[in-house]
Amino acid sequence: KAGVTQTPRYLIKTRGQQVTLSCSPISGHRSVSWYQQTPGQGLQFLFEYFSETQRNKGNFPGRFSGRQFSNSRSEMNVSTLELGDSALYLCASSLGVRATNEKLFFGSGTQLSVL
Amino acid sequence: QQQVKQSPQSLIVQKGGISIINCAYENTAFDYFPWYQQFPGKGPALLIAIRPDVSEKKEGRFTISFNKSAKQFSLHIMDSQPGDSATYFCAASMGNAGNMLTFGGGTRLMVKP
Repeated sequence: KAGVTQTPRYLIKTRGQQVTLSCSPISGHRSVSWYQQTPGQGLQFLFEYFSETQRNKGNFPGRFSGRQFSNSRSEMNVSTLELGDSALYLCASSLGVRATNEKLFFGSGTQLSVL
Repeated sequence: QQQVKQSPQSLIVQKGGISIINCAYENTAFDYFPWYQQFPGKGPALLIAIRPDVSEKKEGRFTISFNKSAKQFSLHIMDSQPGDSATYFCAASMGNAGNMLTFGGGTRLMVKP
């Protein structure tokens, strides 16, 4: 069974641009979550989608948005990029939405560098 | 406000020794406490998890100890191996928050041969 697939693996953008990252969950998984990982702030929750609906959102500005498609694939978008947005963006999938009952499987992430 | 504090930030252990990583939380609504292992270039992978109605959980060489009154939990890696060298994260979540995990700051473990 294929794992969580994130594309692209690396991305370089300049300030002010926007970026879209893609995540394909494990087959059969309906929940997709996004996390930002930086050396300074660690792992921080961005948002979670289940059945195309956003269920939870972390404390990030509105420049960060996401969506989920009917096939459970998800995209996140960051508009008007800032230098501080440079980070590893991780996608995680699970069968359902209750972390205590479902294992969360992470992809290898997209490393975004903003110049 | 950091809700899950993890220590130490880094840890060096000799092969065969015991690695101990500690976490403390503030929010008593947390009801699920997983530990993740992350190797360079990879995403975190679930190691072991515990709920607050259990004081200890063991899976192979990995044990979680949980102290609900102190709001602390720890990961013990017995017989540590060089292959265990990675960054370890504790995390916590609450029942009504789906898969929203609050992570500790991470511990970089190095196991020397």
